[in-house]
Amino acid sequence: DTGVSQNPRHKITKRGQNVTFRCDPISEHNRLYWYRQTLGQGPEFLTYFQNEAQLEKSRLLSDRFSAERPKGSFSTLEIQRTEQGDSAMYLCASSPKGTGGSPLHFGNGTRLTVT
Amino acid sequence: GDSVTQMEGPVTLSEEAFLTINCTYTATGYPSLFWYVQYPGEGLQLLLKATKADDKGSNKGFEATYRKETTSFHLEKGSVQVSDSAVYFCALSDLPGTYKYIFGTGTRLKVLA
Repeated sequence: DTGVSQNPRHKITKRGQNVTFRCDPISEHNRLYWYRQTLGQGPEFLTYFQNEAQLEKSRLLSDRFSAERPKGSFSTLEIQRTEQGDSAMYLCASSPKGTGGSPLHFGNGTRLTVT
Repeated sequence: GDSVTQMEGPVTLSEEAFLTINCTYTATGYPSLFWYVQYPGEGLQLLLKATKADDKGSNKGFEATYRKETTSFHLEKGSVQVSDSAVYFCALSDLPGTYKYIFGTGTRLKVLA
């Protein structure tokens, strides 16, 4: 179990640029989540994949955000035309499919700063 | 809507003091409840969980009991250590019609030697 891996750890970009983050979940986990966390707040749900299917998206996820999980393995989160309000920590988490109480396993996050 | 409310921090305690961090929730159905901990510079880690009413989750000296009648899941530890200094998040999942986990805003704990 190598844990959930996220890259890059930090990303600084200028407003209006596009950015893409990658998440590699724990290999046997078929559920994958993206969350966003700002300073002093708890993680906010963005989207959820079961295998390659994106089954749920938050209303927080504007049209500028898109996530994919081809082949049900790694996932990417792209933000187009970044805005200063997009500055946050983007967290990826995975969990095995199962009955109730499956905990999320989080990566260390990608910190995005939009200047 | 479904939500989690935690006591505001920071909480500052002396080593060996008793800790309580309050967590209450609003949810439809019968959610599973979790406490996560985030140490400085690290990702969120599961601390403990409970999946049904009256269950007690425990780990590393921390405990929390799922109280359906008061919709609460308070975190307790009898004797805190400096190494327990972190941010603690209460969360719930297994809500009807959604896969998401809902987190509280977190409570920062600082333990002084």
